Parts: sequence; C-alpha cells; structure tokens
Amino acid sequence: QKEVEQNSGPLSVPEGAIASLNCTYSDRGSQSFFWYRQYSGKSPELIMFIYSNGDKEDGRFTAQLNKASQYVSLLIRDSQPSDSATYLCAVNPGSGYNKLIFGAGTRLAVHP
Amino acid sequence: EPEVTQTPSHQVTQMGQEVILRCVPISNHLYFYWYRQILGQKVEFLVSFYNNEISEKSEIFDDQFSVERPDGSNFTLKIRSTKLEDSAMYFCASSDQNPTDTQYFGPGTRLTVL
Repeated sequence: QKEVEQNSGPLSVPEGAIASLNCTYSDRGSQSFFWYRQYSGKSPELIMFIYSNGDKEDGRFTAQLNKASQYVSLLIRDSQPSDSATYLCAVNPGSGYNKLIFGAGTRLAVHP
Repeated sequence: EPEVTQTPSHQVTQMGQEVILRCVPISNHLYFYWYRQILGQKVEFLVSFYNNEISEKSEIFDDQFSVERPDGSNFTLKIRSTKLEDSAMYFCASSDQNPTDTQYFGPGTRLTVL
C-alpha cells in the first residue's frame, strides 16, 4: 500500500514568519512530487512540483526533496493570512503508475 | 490561462439513480483523471484515462462507475446506481504529455446522494 503522510496540523504561524510543511512517502520508486493548496470547499490548486533532490524556489515558496529519506517539504516565507489553507502533498508513484497519491493535508493558519 | 471545467457544480440525486458528471479537460492534454474527496477526508484517485481507454483504476472504481470521452472535448464519469456513500466532491484533472506531469484540477462537482 503506497502511503503519503502529513501532519494534519493545524500549523499556526504569525504573519511574516516562515511556515514549514512536511511530507513523507512510502514508495522509493516515486518520481514526481507536488504541493497543492486547497481552500475549504475548493479544488486543489498547484503550488509547486519537484522531481530532483534538492531545493526548488518559486517566489515565496521553496520545495525540498530528499529521496534517500523519502521526504519532501514546503517552506512558505513571509507568510500571509491569505496563505491560510490546507496544503496537500501528492506523489506520483513512478513508472507504470498513472495517478497521484495524496496525503491528508496540513492545515495552515497564518494569524495577523 | 487554460483551465479544466466541470459541470454541474452541485448535483443532488436519490439513492439508486444514475448520475453523469461532466468535465472539459485542458485542450491538448492527453491524460485525464477523476478523483473524489469525501468531506473531511483525503483526495482519492478513482481512474485515469489515456488514448481512449482506462489506463489505471483504483479499488473504489467498481462496476458502478464508468468513464467516457464521448467527443473531442468532454470527459464524463457515470455512476450507475448511486449509494449514500458516493456523496463527495468529484474532481476532474488533466495532464499534458506524460503521466508524471503536473495534473491540473477542475473546480469539482459536489454530489449529494439522498
């Protein structure tokens, strides 16, 4: 059974702080990794994707991947109240698989 | 910016009835997906579709479910005889040239089975 695990939160951070969201996955063959943001009652919205070990930066967001530890994280710098949402980690299990496996999501609350 | 669209946004049906959920994937995308999310739970994969056939399906996607691409733009999910436990948000998604590419999600259809 392929699993993606996330801390459900809530993770509460003050405005302007760095929010750190973590995710682990069970399948070593996993090839691509995605962070989606989901507001209540809405659909998942892509934040970032990462395929290679290391860091990938896009504006205030940095994704980090460590395939040896089967760990992927998302850092949000200068957090804003509008960042308050559930962040979903999703993993494509790799060659031969045509789907995403989602974690349960981490709820982030940014307070002024 | 191209986007995935879904209709209807909300569907209410009686248990045992058939429903068809409709999706228009992003033009020129080749891979199409249906996911569902029961209230308060994680997003779950149902089925993927490529080259006019199912490429992968989950245990949830039993004989009550079917998918179709009736024309060059629409992609549908049919539930033949709805159950109370089918009540959920159903999301359609599409991706470009490879199954490992980013999947873009539509706004979803909220299905309520009474």
